[in-house]
Amino acid sequence: GQSLEQPSEVTAVEGAIVQINCTYQTSGFYGLSWYQQHDGGAPTFLSYNALDGLEETGRFSSFLSRSDSYGYLLLQELQMKDSASYFCAVTMDSSYKLIFGSGTRLLVRP
Amino acid sequence: EAGVAQSPRYKIIEKRQSVAFWCNPISGHATLYWYQQILGQGPKLLIQFQNNGVVDDSQLPKDRFSAERLKGVDSTLKIQPAKLEDSAVYLCASSPSQNYGYTFGSGTRLTVV
Repeated sequence: GQSLEQPSEVTAVEGAIVQINCTYQTSGFYGLSWYQQHDGGAPTFLSYNALDGLEETGRFSSFLSRSDSYGYLLLQELQMKDSASYFCAVTMDSSYKLIFGSGTRLLVRP
Repeated sequence: EAGVAQSPRYKIIEKRQSVAFWCNPISGHATLYWYQQILGQGPKLLIQFQNNGVVDDSQLPKDRFSAERLKGVDSTLKIQPAKLEDSAVYLCASSPSQNYGYTFGSGTRLTVV
């Protein structure tokens, strides 16, 4: 079967940096995506890594190591509005269907 | 650009009843997905369409769930008969082609009592 592991909850202070890790075991791998979901809202796409290394988009960065089956999402200069659930998701083949992890609930405190 | 539209937003039904959800993807998006998200879990793929053809429905419980995509645009997902364990948010997503970076709709929250 396919599995993705990520921490269930993370708490951080406003202005700080937080890293959310994701390890995966899947029968195929095209790339790793990250989605943000606020309570009651739609998942929104944050980033996609197909190759090893770091991708930076504003305050958010995402890293992938294919050899370690590992990736992380780095959020800098945390703001209260970043409180949400963050999901890593693996694309296994060219259909680009996603296998999601169970999500990490991030709480940003003042 | 208008987003992915879904209706209804909420639905409460009794077990063994039937229910249907509707999705209108972003104009021009060829690929459409239906995901089921149970509270506290990540979304799980039910079915993927490319235009009006099914790409993957391996996770769709076909004894009670059905889906169609008319003329490669709108899509409906139906459950008949519903079970208590079908209580979840049903998310529709679309992308220009088979690619990363979907756009999700806000979902339909189904409660089966």
